[in-house]
Formats: sequence, C-alpha cells, structure tokens
Amino acid sequence: ETGVTQSPTHLIKTRGQQVTLRCSSQSGHNTVSWYQQALGQGPQFIFQYYREEENGRGNFPPRFSGLQFPNYSSELNVNALELDDSALYLCASSLRGNTEAFFGQGTRLTVV
Amino acid sequence: GENVEQHPSTLSVQEGDSAVIKCTYSDSASNYFPWYKQELGKRPQLIIDIRSNVGEKKDQRIAVTLNKTAKHFSLHITETQPEDSAVYFCAASGSYGQNFVFGPGTRLSVLP
Repeated sequence: ETGVTQSPTHLIKTRGQQVTLRCSSQSGHNTVSWYQQALGQGPQFIFQYYREEENGRGNFPPRFSGLQFPNYSSELNVNALELDDSALYLCASSLRGNTEAFFGQGTRLTVV
Repeated sequence: GENVEQHPSTLSVQEGDSAVIKCTYSDSASNYFPWYKQELGKRPQLIIDIRSNVGEKKDQRIAVTLNKTAKHFSLHITETQPEDSAVYFCAASGSYGQNFVFGPGTRLSVLP
C-alpha cells in the first residue's frame, strides 16, 4: 500500500452543487497531481500542484480548481457539478525531479 | 500534446502463457514510461517503469521494452497467473514528474 490517502471514498452530489475532495501525499513527496477516471477509461490529467502553486493543467474547465497546503496535502474543488463529472477522482503524489508517482485509492463521485 | 495509444483493449491468455501489451506515443520529448495495474475498485499500482535512456528493464516475470525511434514501448508478462488479471495502463510523461498521459487500458484475463 502507498502512503497516499484520499477522502471521502464515495460521494453522491446533485447537479449544480459543489464538492471538495482531499488528498494526503506520501511522506517526503512535494507534488500532487489530480486525475479523473471515467468508467472504463484511463485516468485524465486535471492539474498538478507543487509548492502550493498550480504547475500544469489538463483540458478541464475553470470550475475545476485546487489547492496545495504547506504540508503538501491537496484539495480538488469542483463547482457547478454536471452529470458527466461522475467518475473516480485519483490523486498521485511524487517528489519533483523523481518521476515515480503513487496513487491514492480514489474518491468515487456520483452526480445525480 | 502527447497522445498514447494502447493495444489490445482486451487480452485473454491461459495460465502459464505470456502476455504482451503494446503502447505508442506521439511526443518525442516524453522520457518516462510507467505501467500501472488496476484491479477492480482499487487504485492504479505502479508495476514497472522505464526511462528513455534504457531500452529494456526486467523485474521477475515482468519486463518492459522501449523503442525511442519508433516511439513505442511494450509490457511483457511471462508465466501468467490468475492474480495477473486486471486492467493495465501505460503512460508517458516528460521530466520532473510532469503529468502522465495514459493509454486507454488493456483488460487482461488469465484463464485457469
């Protein structure tokens, strides 16, 4: 098992609501990346945080936003939820300069 | 941007046989290629990776080969076992742990 933990594990929200997902990175890691994995597909990169700043972003709208805290933990916020936002949200932690990344167990978000 | 293709999408092998999964990438600047195994309902787990300065890497029953000229890399699993059954994802990224671009995945079934 990795030291990357995510909360909550499951979540059901209504269309139009807002959600916050949390990720604690592995000890010693300073970079957190967030991915969206739709059913039956590979993870899609949302954004990455390093030293509390966004350090790269995928093709996701601005209603997907994030934060990284001084202890390197991170949050993913999604506003104005849409049905298509239903997916497994994964965070991955790594040490900048070292390319290995380890995933958390994910948060399964269902938007109804 | 980077695009990663992966074949086949499904693969069934008899226990003890070998399995090969192939990926191609488009961005010649990519230099790190991890493979992840994802069992149903679980996190993606890093099983092996290769950097662009290496042509082949082996870890027990698992090996990865990289052809930079052709921009393709492959996962080889020998002496397959039922516990190898899972979805396997290849990915590509640049240096410093930049975001991974994942392939669509291969569902491997090892039949007893």
